[in-house]
Formats: sequence, C-alpha cells, structure tokens
Amino acid sequence: NAGVTQTPKFQVLKTGQSMTLQCAQDMNHEYMSWYRQDPGMGLRLIHYSVGAGITDQGEVPNGYNVSRSTTEDFPLRLLSAAPSQTSVYFCASSYPPGLNEQFFGPGTRLTVL
Amino acid sequence: SQQGEEDPQALSIQEGENATMNCSYKTSINNLQWYRQNSGRGLVHLILIRSNEREKHSGRLRVTLDTSKKSSSLLITASRAADTASYFCALPLYAGKSTFGDGTTLTVKP
Repeated sequence: NAGVTQTPKFQVLKTGQSMTLQCAQDMNHEYMSWYRQDPGMGLRLIHYSVGAGITDQGEVPNGYNVSRSTTEDFPLRLLSAAPSQTSVYFCASSYPPGLNEQFFGPGTRLTVL
Repeated sequence: SQQGEEDPQALSIQEGENATMNCSYKTSINNLQWYRQNSGRGLVHLILIRSNEREKHSGRLRVTLDTSKKSSSLLITASRAADTASYFCALPLYAGKSTFGDGTTLTVKP
C-alpha cells in the first residue's frame, strides 16, 4: 500500500492565484482530513470528510474548499491564495469509528508571494 | 476547543539519556495519542492509550495517562540521535479528526 499520498511536494503561488492540493489514500478509509501547520506550531484542522459526498468545516476553513467524490481522493482547493496561507499542508485518513490513529501524508509546502 | 498542551516546548539531551515530555488537556477523553514528526515530514503515529489504561509500552516508549489530573507523559528511554524530532499529543474527536498541541521539540546529541 502507498498509504496517503500528496502532490505536489512544493508549490509557490502568487497572491490571487488558485490551485488544488491533491490527496489520495489506498486504505479504503472513510475519514479524511486536511490540516495546516505553521512554523513551530501544531496542526490546525481546515476541512474534513466522513465519506464520499460528505464534507464539513474545521477550525480554519476560510479561503479553502474541498470535495469528496470518491473514497480515495480528497482534494483541497485554494480559491485565491494569500500570503497568510503560506504553510505546510497535511492530509490524513483514518477508519471508523473515528477515534483511531490517523495516517498522514508527507505534506505539501506552499509559499504564497 | 479541546487541545493538548505539551511541555516542555523544547528538550535537549545526550544520547543514552531518557526524555520525558508531558501533555495536559482540559476535558474528558476517549483516548490520547502521541505522534512523532521528523523535520520536513508528516506525522507518524507512535502510541494510543485509552482512558481506562494507566500505562502502555511500545519498545523504548512508555506512555502514562492520569485522567484525574488530565495529563499524559511520554518517556523515551535510552534515547538515540534518530529520536530527534517533534512530538505531539493528539486528542481524537469524532469523525476521524484530532486536535494537536504545539509539540515538544526533542534534540538528542550524539
């Protein structure tokens, strides 16, 4: 199993540009989440999903959109990038009942100029 | 919202010494988890301790949980340079989410 994969590994955007961060998992996990990690800090939840077609907001959802059309994929869209969105983004997945360990991808390091 | 707070923020020790880091939280939990993050990498799950457990071991790791004090500790025995990383406690919420503290950065000097 590849586990949780994320692309790209690095990305530089200009303010106002949009892009999609990709996340895929091959473990048939129902639950998937997106976090951001700023320097020296822990992870903050952006959006999460409990299954295909179902998404909800986390702690810091503004400026981001998600969709979940399949169990495997959970892309994160930046609508209009801002310097405050410079961060490292992690995707994670887990299996029900949702209190188990999360499996994390390697992260996408995003810089917005 | 519920969030674990790790202490200390940073810890520097010599190889072979033990490292202890703590996590405090505010409300009741079902379980508490510890993760490791090597520089520039994603988080890796280390150990999960349930609310009805007081102590759990995994190799050189020992985790304790005191629900009356709402605190947990992670002990790494006989540390190695490869243990250099940030360590986070995580409090799982429903639907596969977790809240994370800001972590303890451990440096093990050879």
